[in-house]
Amino acid sequence: NAGVTQTPKFQVLKTGQSMTLQCAQDMNHEYMSWYRQDPGMGLRLIHYSVGAGITDQGEVPNGYNVSRSTTEDFPLRLLSAAPSQTSVYFCASSYSRGDYGYTFGSGTRLTVV
Amino acid sequence: KNEVEQSPQNLTAQEGEFITINCSYSVGISALHWLQQHPGGGIVSLFMLSSGKKKHGRLIATINIQEKHSSLHITASHPRDSAVYICAVPYGNKLVFGAGTILRVKS
Repeated sequence: NAGVTQTPKFQVLKTGQSMTLQCAQDMNHEYMSWYRQDPGMGLRLIHYSVGAGITDQGEVPNGYNVSRSTTEDFPLRLLSAAPSQTSVYFCASSYSRGDYGYTFGSGTRLTVV
Repeated sequence: KNEVEQSPQNLTAQEGEFITINCSYSVGISALHWLQQHPGGGIVSLFMLSSGKKKHGRLIATINIQEKHSSLHITASHPRDSAVYICAVPYGNKLVFGAGTILRVKS
């Protein structure tokens, strides 16, 4: 089925560990983005990409890296996990930044202990 | 200052009631998004609209560009409508989200 595939769904990390959250879409969307959702904070943009080879920072980029080597994939890397990165992470894609509908991944619930 | 304000924050309704959720924004926009998130679940795009009104089943979304205001209506509400409803607008290279409205429909 066409859509945004996000893995893993759940992850527990120890402080200082690194990991990559995977995001892939098969809709040929140019715009992809990563958000974190925390209680009382709503959705906040971490990083986004407007096309292969182009990425930029969002509101809360510290501690995260991204790359966009293909149109389909937009992985999010946690370099050295901290308890403050405990959150639910969503990947989303669209034809453009806001003038077209968004498709969201199912989310990754990350706990850093 | 948040560019997107939603009201109410929390809403409890009886099954069958007509529900309205409001969204006001302070920036010029090309489109507004309404999203739905069930407890512990993913986020689903309900509507994207730039003018007038859109309808999908029991859900109706309206927007007034001049007043910078949008409403999401649910007719004949049902317990399965219980979810968080979020409006969002494009701002620069990102979407700016409202804080969400937590809706609970009791049977």
